[in-house]
Amino acid sequence: QSALTQPASVSGSPGQSITISCSGTSRDIGNYDFVSWYQQHPGTAPKVIIYDVVNRPSGVSDRFSGSKSGNTASLTISGLQAEDEADYYCSSYTTSSTVVFGGGTKLTVL
Amino acid sequence: QVQLLQSGAEVREPGSSVKVSCKAPGDTLNTHAINWVRQAHGHGLEWMGGIIPIFYRAYYAQNFQGRVTITTDESTSTAYMELNGLKDEDSAVYYCARSRTGLKKHFDLWGRGTLVTVSS
Repeated sequence: QSALTQPASVSGSPGQSITISCSGTSRDIGNYDFVSWYQQHPGTAPKVIIYDVVNRPSGVSDRFSGSKSGNTASLTISGLQAEDEADYYCSSYTTSSTVVFGGGTKLTVL
Repeated sequence: QVQLLQSGAEVREPGSSVKVSCKAPGDTLNTHAINWVRQAHGHGLEWMGGIIPIFYRAYYAQNFQGRVTITTDESTSTAYMELNGLKDEDSAVYYCARSRTGLKKHFDLWGRGTLVTVSS
């Protein structure tokens, strides 16, 4: 099972919106709505910010939103803030009853 | 505060094994799966496998098949991940994380991670 494909880095200025893509296959993203996004700040454990493609856990800002089309999922962060600077990972359940992560995207807030 | 408590850092020689523990709160093992995810320094997250305790069933990533064993001890509400045949590239932080009702759902609670260093 190959890792999902994410851009290595994205950047944006405060107040702007950015979108991070996560490309998979019909064996993972394309087959299930079990796509999650995680935010990880340096030296800390990841934290889920989006689950089941579009849902936000309690306490997560509504500036974070998720979507999916075919084999590709996307995370959009609107109204960028300095605290959003972190690494972001997508994940999906697969037809092999396993879980696969994306390679991660480093977000820089300029 | 609800948390997954992981065992402390380990140093191992190449070719040896390491066993990391993850103590879960309350009824977690009756309602959640426990997953193991590792992260080498400066690298991304890698799912190693997961266990659904109520079904006594473990699932493993292809990359780790035959080298990793995930188990649970319901009497102590603890999950374990044992990795054999350690290589230098197995040096990483190993996280446990729970997911509700099996492996399909998101990882809603993570341990703080256990640093494993493989070095001769």
